[in-house]
Amino acid sequence: ILNVEQSPQSLHVQEGDSTNFTCSFPSSNFYALHWYRWETAKSPEALFVMTLNGDEKKKGRISATLNTKEGYSYLYIKGSQPEDSATYLCAPPPPGTALIFGKGTTLSVSS
Amino acid sequence: DTEVTQTPKHLVMGMTNKKSLKCEQHMGHRAMYWYKQKAKKPPELMFVYSYEKLSINESVPSRFSPECPNSSLLNLHLHALQPEDSALYLCASTPGLDTEAFFGQGTRLTVV
Repeated sequence: ILNVEQSPQSLHVQEGDSTNFTCSFPSSNFYALHWYRWETAKSPEALFVMTLNGDEKKKGRISATLNTKEGYSYLYIKGSQPEDSATYLCAPPPPGTALIFGKGTTLSVSS
Repeated sequence: DTEVTQTPKHLVMGMTNKKSLKCEQHMGHRAMYWYKQKAKKPPELMFVYSYEKLSINESVPSRFSPECPNSSLLNLHLHALQPEDSALYLCASTPGLDTEAFFGQGTRLTVV
């Protein structure tokens, strides 16, 4: 069983707030780190896939960083909007395995 | 074509029925996945096919039987399901673990 932890489990912010959450994973045998945005009853939507220590990727107001030596990735959302409300899933598949998601961080943005 | 197509979108079946879910992609991806998603929980991995061979079976009951007839098609055969098997079944494909996965829209299965 892959030990993936996402924190916090849920959070609630006001429109315009910036926020961030964490995905922690074993640093040994690292291969790649995936972030997905998921709304209930819909399919997960890929945000980022990162492979190199120190990687930083950005898509609009959302960005992510990766530290493979200490085994964590941060996802940042700048100026949260109600449409950002979703569950954010990470998956750090070691080589030869598959995408197994963490339990996610559920973000709720109030207008 | 960057789509993963799943059919049917909805399925209602009795506990004695046999049915199949279908997943198709034409992106040349050699890894295809089945996930089960219930209630408000994230998708749970069921099976992985890599180069048309079953590479991972996450201890799924034998009433679920996957099949990969070719590199574009993935089926999930269902037989003697239980009401607790009612869920959204998602298919995904990816060229590799270091690239993003593409998900289908899912089949909403209800077992009565």
